Amino acid sequence: DTAVSQTPKYLVTQMGNDKSIKCEQNLGHDTMYWYKQDSKKFLKIMFSYNNKELIINETVPNRFSPKSPDKAHLNLHINSLELGDSAVYFCASSQGGGAATDTQYFGPGTRLTVL
Amino acid sequence: GQQVMQIPQYQHVQEGEDFTTYCNSSTTLSNIQWYKQRPGGHPVFLIQLVKSGEVKKQKRLTFQFGEAKKNSSLHITATQTTDVGTYFCAGLYGLNFVFGPGTRLSVLP
Repeated sequence: DTAVSQTPKYLVTQMGNDKSIKCEQNLGHDTMYWYKQDSKKFLKIMFSYNNKELIINETVPNRFSPKSPDKAHLNLHINSLELGDSAVYFCASSQGGGAATDTQYFGPGTRLTVL
Repeated sequence: GQQVMQIPQYQHVQEGEDFTTYCNSSTTLSNIQWYKQRPGGHPVFLIQLVKSGEVKKQKRLTFQFGEAKKNSSLHITATQTTDVGTYFCAGLYGLNFVFGPGTRLSVLP
């Protein structure tokens, strides 16, 4: 059983398109995250949700909009895709509120390529 | 903003040699976590250090948290080819974990 799953695994699209990435966790965790990993492997947090509420919103273009329909799901919608959005996007989850000292469990990643 | 630095960026070792990666923060950390990412994979949690001067061991891996809680290290004794990957430290600043740039380890058989 996959603890944190993401779909799709690969996403190739044209500049200007809108796309979504879905994430689900079956660990019963309260907190979920989106990270972006660029070609140099830098891992940067984008958003964090605790029980469907946004708690961390880093400096990310407002073309990126997270949505959490329930605490087991955190989807990422990206409008007007740009070349610089090409990266691997990781979803993660952790147990407690605020992620203070919790282990983060990462999904397998979604490799987004914008042409 | 908060920054977490790691050195070296890359390390190539012969199988059986030791390996160390260092993590440094510009400010005091609440705690620090270490993750390993295999090539093509996702980050996997290794350990968390909370106390000043803390040392933890996992088989051939030794993790250390500095007295001032501004630096940490991961040491692997007698590397094996299964140790290949990128090792990230992540420092906790308030609510937010900030990841270091990682150290990419190659192990030559």
